[in-house]
Amino acid sequence: SQQGEEDPQALSIQEGENATMNCSYKTSINNLQWYRQNSGRGLVHLILIRSNEREKHSGRLRVTLDTSKKSSSLLITASRAADTASYFCATDAGGSYIPTFGRGTSLIVHP
Amino acid sequence: DTAVSQTPKYLVTQMGNDKSIKCEQNLGHDTMYWYKQDSKKFLKIMFSYNNKELIINETVPNRFSPKSPDKAHLNLHINSLELGDSAVYFCASSQRAQETQYFGPGTRLLVL
Repeated sequence: SQQGEEDPQALSIQEGENATMNCSYKTSINNLQWYRQNSGRGLVHLILIRSNEREKHSGRLRVTLDTSKKSSSLLITASRAADTASYFCATDAGGSYIPTFGRGTSLIVHP
Repeated sequence: DTAVSQTPKYLVTQMGNDKSIKCEQNLGHDTMYWYKQDSKKFLKIMFSYNNKELIINETVPNRFSPKSPDKAHLNLHINSLELGDSAVYFCASSQRAQETQYFGPGTRLLVL
């Protein structure tokens, strides 16, 4: 199975609500990244968090990393319809040059 | 200007044919990648190419071969196309391995 796995697979919320997505991985990592993919498009990088960091913010995005639990979460606050997309986490699997993505969380934000 | 570009955007072809997808990045990055995304959105790394060092995902059939004429290009050649090769193929690049990746718009391949 892949290194990173997102949970839930799908999330449907109303505009203005917060959305939380989780990512679990199996082996030690150097960093973990979150990406967004709009329908029919390539992936866009959101945040990179290194293994020695616990939390990072970027605008309405907040990412946490718990290396003891081998998990990360992505929080989108005050969601907007434009946040509708699939969100992927990617890990480097303990220093491997092979980045590994999960299957993604499909987020739908209803206006 | 597009940072990572791919051509063609769409590719429809018959089983058994050989085809190539081109990728170019104008970011000056050292590392380039090819991914395959299936209908369930699972994104699978196929190749990583860093300073002429090719790292291959062992599960990729040898019908797939990356070719890098220079640092800014990593093309994907596919021999003897099969129905299961139908997917969206993404090229990406990063300054160094394990760093932020910039993705191209994807090539939608349909094998009939």
